[in-house]
Amino acid sequence: QKEVEQDPGPLSVPEGAIVSLNCTYSNSAFQYFMWYRQYSRKGPELLMYTYSSGNKEDGRFTAQVDKSSKYISLFIRDSQPSDSATYLCATTGYSSASKIIFGSGTRLSIRP
Amino acid sequence: GAVVSQHPSWVICKSGTSVKIECRSLDFQATTMFWYRQFPKQSLMLMATSNEGSKATYEQGVEKDKFLINHASLTLSTLTVTSAHPEDSSFYICSANSGSGSTDTQYFGPGTRLTVL
Repeated sequence: QKEVEQDPGPLSVPEGAIVSLNCTYSNSAFQYFMWYRQYSRKGPELLMYTYSSGNKEDGRFTAQVDKSSKYISLFIRDSQPSDSATYLCATTGYSSASKIIFGSGTRLSIRP
Repeated sequence: GAVVSQHPSWVICKSGTSVKIECRSLDFQATTMFWYRQFPKQSLMLMATSNEGSKATYEQGVEKDKFLINHASLTLSTLTVTSAHPEDSSFYICSANSGSGSTDTQYFGPGTRLTVL
């Protein structure tokens, strides 16, 4: 079983829609979770960084962690064509300074 | 935010040759740098962790004699792919820690696309 599982998509939605991206993880002790955005042929860019359970909001983006179900989500409101990219969930497990374990990434396309 | 650069951004080489990829932190000092490999439509896989002035720590399954890493200064780490073969063709990405080593201070470079003919 992979430590982080993510549906690779692709996912296509119309502009303005709410996007929901999801991942599951294997170890209930994991506490540090991240979402990265990666444009084609570019390095990943950190979008959201959360610790333990709960929600974190930054502009149009909301990250959610449900430790009871080992489920992490990223919501994008009022999606824009510029949001079209691959979104990677990730964890560093127990420590904020441990190596990053990435999900496989979900390719998202926002249709104008 | 902190900037990490990579050079070259794209390289094509013949099978059997060696290729060097540079990773630089432009506006901060990085005691730790990381090297990742990403195959098409797959996620990033950590290859090795590089600490300035010491030997790199390689992940299981990564050949240290094939992927030579040198972290000679606080702003530069290099990855040399020796005797490259077509199966080494991939997207190589480095990252560097700018602060306490926490993940939220780890910044990624733009990547280097290697094609081995």
